[in-house]
Amino acid sequence: GAVVSQHPSRVICKSGTSVKIECRSLDFQATTMFWYRQFPKQSLMLMATSNEGSKATYEQGVEKDKFLINHASLTLSTLTVTSAHPEDSSFYICSSPSGRVSTDTQYFGPGTRLTVL
Amino acid sequence: KQEVTQIPAALSVPEGENLVLNCSFTDSAIYNLQWFRQDPGKGLTSLLLIQSSQREQTSGRLNASLDKSSGRSTLYIAASQPGDSATYLCAYHGSSNTGKLIFGQGTTLQVKP
Repeated sequence: GAVVSQHPSRVICKSGTSVKIECRSLDFQATTMFWYRQFPKQSLMLMATSNEGSKATYEQGVEKDKFLINHASLTLSTLTVTSAHPEDSSFYICSSPSGRVSTDTQYFGPGTRLTVL
Repeated sequence: KQEVTQIPAALSVPEGENLVLNCSFTDSAIYNLQWFRQDPGKGLTSLLLIQSSQREQTSGRLNASLDKSSGRSTLYIAASQPGDSATYLCAYHGSSNTGKLIFGQGTTLQVKP
């Protein structure tokens, strides 16, 4: 199957700082990438959809100025959590369909555990 | 409202048992449904994808079925092993074709040796 990597796998930061999470498709071109957030013992909730070369589409209730998404190439999308606060502590996961159709099988990154002190 | 419910939330079985995980959804016009495995603190691994026109898919000891009319999918695991211990999530693509996956909360499975 297709491989998606994320970096870092774990990050601890102080409240008020910004954190950047990278999501890379290693063996395919990812026109579309999805960013999810997962709180402990809860399911994944879609935050935003990023498309290469265009602005991301955010789900209702997700602050676009707080969660900055950049998808500048076909293999890299980044999520920047700006002015992070403890309530932003969560597990962030990206995914991408390996095919040209967004409803193809999605492949997920290993996730990034963010802890904001 | 798009909702996915997975029952049971947790399951503990002895090794070797056959088991069924249930997933129900409210959206009758789904595009496809996917089952994932998630190990603690890890990302998701795709297990099976069923298109809306299909009724089941099989991979090794796993068999997933889909009944759109009743809004249900089941994941059947045959001859369970301790290595099957993980959280199993079902998710579907709605008919809007945006690529957005709607997830259930998962069933956490423990298979005891």
